[in-house]
Amino acid sequence: DGGITQSPKYLFRKEGQNVTLSCEQNLNHDAMYWYRQDPGQGLRLIYYSQIVNDFQKGDIAEGYSVSREKKESFPLTVTSAQKNPTAFYLCASSIDRDRGLTGANVLTFGAGSRLTVL
Amino acid sequence: AQKVTQAQTEISVVEKEDVTLDCVYETRDTTYYLFWYKQPPSGELVFLIRRNSFDEQNEISGRYSWNFQKSTSSFNFTITASQVVDSAVYFCALSEVNTGNQFYFGTGTSLTVIP
Repeated sequence: DGGITQSPKYLFRKEGQNVTLSCEQNLNHDAMYWYRQDPGQGLRLIYYSQIVNDFQKGDIAEGYSVSREKKESFPLTVTSAQKNPTAFYLCASSIDRDRGLTGANVLTFGAGSRLTVL
Repeated sequence: AQKVTQAQTEISVVEKEDVTLDCVYETRDTTYYLFWYKQPPSGELVFLIRRNSFDEQNEISGRYSWNFQKSTSSFNFTITASQVVDSAVYFCALSEVNTGNQFYFGTGTSLTVIP
């Protein structure tokens, strides 16, 4: 079955450490996204990528980095510069084949990764 | 300014009651899309419906129905005869064609259906 796989599901990190969250999709989707979810704040966009080797910052990109070397993969690194990294992180993808209709895309989400900084 | 407002933070209903989740949006675009997603306790958001700005027809899917009113910038979601499995956080979202791949999510409404 096609879908998005995020790993790990739970992750604990010490302050000052970088950590990388994995996101893999086999839906042949062009666009991929990373969102952060905090209680009472909904979903906030961290980074998104429309094509391989290209990505754009979202609303809260500071302290995060991404790469898009393959269409299927969009890993997110939470760096030590992120002051409050404890959160639930969601990866998503969408088809985005027609740039003129990007607003019509439906997002498909992974099951999320919960990061806790100790 | 918040583009999507879900004023109801938490709602509790008794099983079999009807419940309406409110969503108010803000946009200057004439072409946009509205969505509802369900997030069960497992965490994965599940797509429920997409509506474009030119289609104001209400939609019904089983026990779910959606009321889109451009005049009040609202896209409300009603669950009829609620069930315990409906317990989840529900998100309303807006996507504007001109901002390319930007989805604006509301803060979500946590629905608890009590057996």
